[in-house]
Amino acid sequence: GAVVSQHPSRVICKSGTSVKIECRSLDFQATTMFWYRQFPKQSLMLMATSNEGSKATYEQGVEKDKFLINHASLTLSTLTVTSAHPEDSSFYICSATDRSYEKLFFGSGTQLSVL
Amino acid sequence: QKEVEQNSGPLSVPEGAIASLNCTYSDRGSQSFFWYRQYSGKSPELIMFIYSNGDKEDGRFTAQLNKASQYVSLLIRDSQPSDSATYLCAVRNSSASKIIFGSGTRLSIRP
Repeated sequence: GAVVSQHPSRVICKSGTSVKIECRSLDFQATTMFWYRQFPKQSLMLMATSNEGSKATYEQGVEKDKFLINHASLTLSTLTVTSAHPEDSSFYICSATDRSYEKLFFGSGTQLSVL
Repeated sequence: QKEVEQNSGPLSVPEGAIASLNCTYSDRGSQSFFWYRQYSGKSPELIMFIYSNGDKEDGRFTAQLNKASQYVSLLIRDSQPSDSATYLCAVRNSSASKIIFGSGTRLSIRP
């Protein structure tokens, strides 16, 4: 199956710093990428949808200035959590699909801990 | 009404039995339906997808889709302890712009 690589897998940072998470599609062109966050024992919450070369579409309640998403190429999307605070601590997961939109493949996730 | 609904469980099934997981969705024009398995602390992995009414079988897994009832299910035959996980139902909406996830059903296979 298709491979989506997500880095880093774990980040511990101080409050107020910014953290960048990368999501790469390794063997297909990811025309659309999705970013989710997941708190312990809760479901995936869609944060935003990004199409290559376009601005991301954010879900209601997600601050676009805090969670910066860039999808500049067909193989790479990044999520930057700016000025992170302890409440931003969560499991962040990216997923990607190609033009067929038939299947959605997930990265391995990033566990963010803000001290 | 949530767009994709699942019973949160936990659903406890004895080893070797059939586990039945259910999901309903609200968008009648939804096009594609997916089942993902997620182990604790890991990201979801795709188990099956189904587009047409009826059954689709893959090994021990069978997905069933009934668009008239807006219902999709996953059957796991010969359940194994390694099947213990949270199962997420996902639906691609009618505009094809989003894939929406249910809250997941926690399945526990008891030896």
